Amino acid sequence: DVKVTQSSRYLVKRTGEKVFLECVQDMDHENMFWYRQDPGLGLRLIYFSYDVKMKEKGDIPEGYSVSREKKERFSLILESASTNQTSMYLCASSLSQAVYNEQFFGPGTRLTVL
Amino acid sequence: GENVEQHPSTLSVQEGDSAVIKCTYSDSASNYFPWYKQELGKRPQLIIDIRSNVGEKKDQRIAVTLNKTAKHFSLHITETQPEDSAVYFCAATPSGSARQLTFGSGTQLTVLP
Repeated sequence: DVKVTQSSRYLVKRTGEKVFLECVQDMDHENMFWYRQDPGLGLRLIYFSYDVKMKEKGDIPEGYSVSREKKERFSLILESASTNQTSMYLCASSLSQAVYNEQFFGPGTRLTVL
Repeated sequence: GENVEQHPSTLSVQEGDSAVIKCTYSDSASNYFPWYKQELGKRPQLIIDIRSNVGEKKDQRIAVTLNKTAKHFSLHITETQPEDSAVYFCAATPSGSARQLTFGSGTQLTVLP
């Protein structure tokens, strides 16, 4: 049973703070993703990674960076949090690039930036 | 890049009726179309998917149809039940990527008892 966990369910930060969101998967998946979910906008891809130390920009990478030092862990970094980054952040993982694979999601982190 | 539009944004049906959610996509090279269901307060989960070499796929009360010529695909839920109430997201793969998904904006389905 695939398990994707995220470090926090709720997080409150101040404008300008550096914020780290962590995601861990326990099924040796190659691909990991960070999305943000906003009402009426669906799930928008921020960054994804298909291997350790590899990353690719998604549709909305501005204001974010990522780190993948170990295969099971993918971190999303907000270098200087702003109020427009208040959102639900979802991490996901999938097995490999070889075939079309189901994405397994974490429970989400609701981030509020004051 | 790929653009996926989803309609309607909200849908209410009586229990036992059918529900249909429609999506259109822009990239003619897209060839994989999954649907995810997100219950209130929970994570999205895959419920059904279809690949471009298939026109229709069915799994019990849910089915997905694909029209590649028109670049649209639909989710059909028959004999709806209260536990079908959730947000449903369609998605498509941008061309050249088997890993990435572009999601639609979501449909809030409410099944009224």
